Amino acid sequence: AQKVTQAQTEISVVEKEDVTLDCVYETRDTTYYLFWYKQPPSGELVFLIRRNSFDEQNEISGRYSWNFQKSTSSFNFTITASQVVDSAVYFCALSERASSGSARQLTFGSGTQLTVLP
Amino acid sequence: DGGITQSPKYLFRKEGQNVTLSCEQNLNHDAMYWYRQDPGQGLRLIYYSQIVNDFQKGDIAEGYSVSREKKESFPLTVTSAQKNPTAFYLCASSPGGGIQSSPLHFGNGTRLTVT
Repeated sequence: AQKVTQAQTEISVVEKEDVTLDCVYETRDTTYYLFWYKQPPSGELVFLIRRNSFDEQNEISGRYSWNFQKSTSSFNFTITASQVVDSAVYFCALSERASSGSARQLTFGSGTQLTVLP
Repeated sequence: DGGITQSPKYLFRKEGQNVTLSCEQNLNHDAMYWYRQDPGQGLRLIYYSQIVNDFQKGDIAEGYSVSREKKESFPLTVTSAQKNPTAFYLCASSPGGGIQSSPLHFGNGTRLTVT
């Protein structure tokens, strides 16, 4: 089973629309971390946010907001009033203890390609 | 400006040849990583290093080798044993202390094409 599921492969919106990118994760670890990264066309991944499993507060940063719900194992990302520059691939990732020991393992979802049309 | 430099951006090789991808960082980070990205897939970990002269295999290490002789440098060699080497390769680093729980800083990637 996938550890991190980003069911939306591609999303297209028109500029100024709000858009939510879904992320569902699976873990048995009680202490884990969730991340969102943005990959623009240039290729490098840019860190957006890290959330630990004990902090369920939603976070807002400008036009970005994140909704962490442990009850549904989801960590969704919303962009408000989208802009063309938001066009990118967005990855959700989970850091948990590997089943073989104490070392942590970071697993990425398959990504969501967001296209914002002018 | 601090950052991670990967070179070259595009690399072409003939099948059967080894090729080395460069990764240099001036962020003074302890940990460095190599990921492979294939179309429509997430990133998969090839190797990582927590400290100089030490490195660990990731999920898909077969056909790859690395070295970490200097803190700043973590080159990846794609050997002829790698069955499907054509991919986008990303190098990353983190301050360490929490391997794979700290935010990663990524380079711009190297797109390797083997024919």
